[in-house]
Amino acid sequence: RKEVEQDPGPFNVPEGATVAFNCTYSNSASQSFFWYRQDCRKEPKLLMSVYSSGNEDGRFTAQLNRASQYISLLIRDSKLSDSATYLCVVKGTNAGKSTFGDGTTLTVKP
Amino acid sequence: NAGVTQTPKFRVLKTGQSMTLLCAQDMNHEYMYWYRQDPGMGLRLIHYSVGEGTTAKGEVPDGYNVSRLKKQNFLLGLESAAPSQTSVYFCASNEANYGYTFGSGTRLTVV
Repeated sequence: RKEVEQDPGPFNVPEGATVAFNCTYSNSASQSFFWYRQDCRKEPKLLMSVYSSGNEDGRFTAQLNRASQYISLLIRDSKLSDSATYLCVVKGTNAGKSTFGDGTTLTVKP
Repeated sequence: NAGVTQTPKFRVLKTGQSMTLLCAQDMNHEYMYWYRQDPGMGLRLIHYSVGEGTTAKGEVPDGYNVSRLKKQNFLLGLESAAPSQTSVYFCASNEANYGYTFGSGTRLTVV
């Protein structure tokens, strides 16, 4: 079993739709959690950190469920520009021990 | 503010050749990392550094060496390139418990 697992998708949704991604992790000692966005042939870019209480940034909401060991990303009112691959990242106590999921591909269609 | 800069952006090597990839960051970050990304396999950690003069192995270190002589620079070396090292290489930096800033990547092809 991988340390961090994501549904690879692809998720194909119409503009304006709400879409949610989940990411499960196996190490219960994990401390920090992030969502990144990666456009085709580009570097990953930090989308948002995920806090225990949940957090929101505009149309994006991230949540953490430590008991079930998963994080989620909700995108409301999807835009064409949201089309990308979304990577979840889980970090343990070791500075070098961040683990990336393989990513979930989202395509938003007109 | 340049962030993280990687050079070169593209390179084609012949099997057995050596090369060095350079990563430079101007954010005064303590931690730096080298990842490779292959289709269907996600990002895998090659080596990382928690400070100037220190390096450590990641998930896939074989065939690579690194050095961090200056805080702002992290070099990745391939001593004898193999076709299996064809990949996109990303450098990243951060401070503890904060998200990474990535460079724009180096696309390496070994023929």
